[in-house]
Amino acid sequence: DSGVTQTPKHLITATGQRVTLRCSPRSGDLSVYWYQQSLDQGLQFLIQYYNGEERAKGNILERFSAQQFPDLHSELNLSSLELGDSALYFCASSGDRGRSGELFFGEGSRLTVL
Amino acid sequence: AQKITQTQPGMFVQEKEAVTLDCTYDTSDPSYGLFWYKQPSSGEMIFLIYQGSYDQQNATEGRYSLNFQKARKSANLVISASQLGDSAMYFCAMREGPRSGSARQLTFGSGTQLTVLP
Repeated sequence: DSGVTQTPKHLITATGQRVTLRCSPRSGDLSVYWYQQSLDQGLQFLIQYYNGEERAKGNILERFSAQQFPDLHSELNLSSLELGDSALYFCASSGDRGRSGELFFGEGSRLTVL
Repeated sequence: AQKITQTQPGMFVQEKEAVTLDCTYDTSDPSYGLFWYKQPSSGEMIFLIYQGSYDQQNATEGRYSLNFQKARKSANLVISASQLGDSAMYFCAMREGPRSGSARQLTFGSGTQLTVLP
């Protein structure tokens, strides 16, 4: 158990809809990262938040947005969904402990857009 | 250019044998970190091993070791005494910049699917 919690684990929705994925980081971790894993694109970094502020942005579509709340949980909002948005969405967190600064991943939210 | 390249889409190894999974990287940053993650069929991402760019010795974690060749920009994962439970997708990843930086996102390779044969 990584200590990172993601909900929901599975989500099926239709094109054009909007969904929200939620992530609770490990206790004490200030950084939250969102990644998208699809068969054709692999693991793509979307966005990072550090203590409530956006810190780095990757290949995140304009239809997607995220935020980190004062209690450090984060939400990823996906709107105007397309078939190609079907993927496994990972949240990860990291902290200042340890030598390597590895990311701890949640179990992912599997999104299916029909 | 790809920052992380894993050239082996699939690998097979006999149980109890050793296997090497290849990874090459590309960065101009003198400070970086290299990571290996395992993703079993259940989907979770499990951190295996880390190598810092300034580390003098190759990293080892139990049956996992990282063959770090800085001049060649390679960071191959060696799994000794393979077990059936090692069958999974393995990802090499890189963080560019120091560990203390606030932007610590990892860039992942495309992965290698390892199958351990009984």
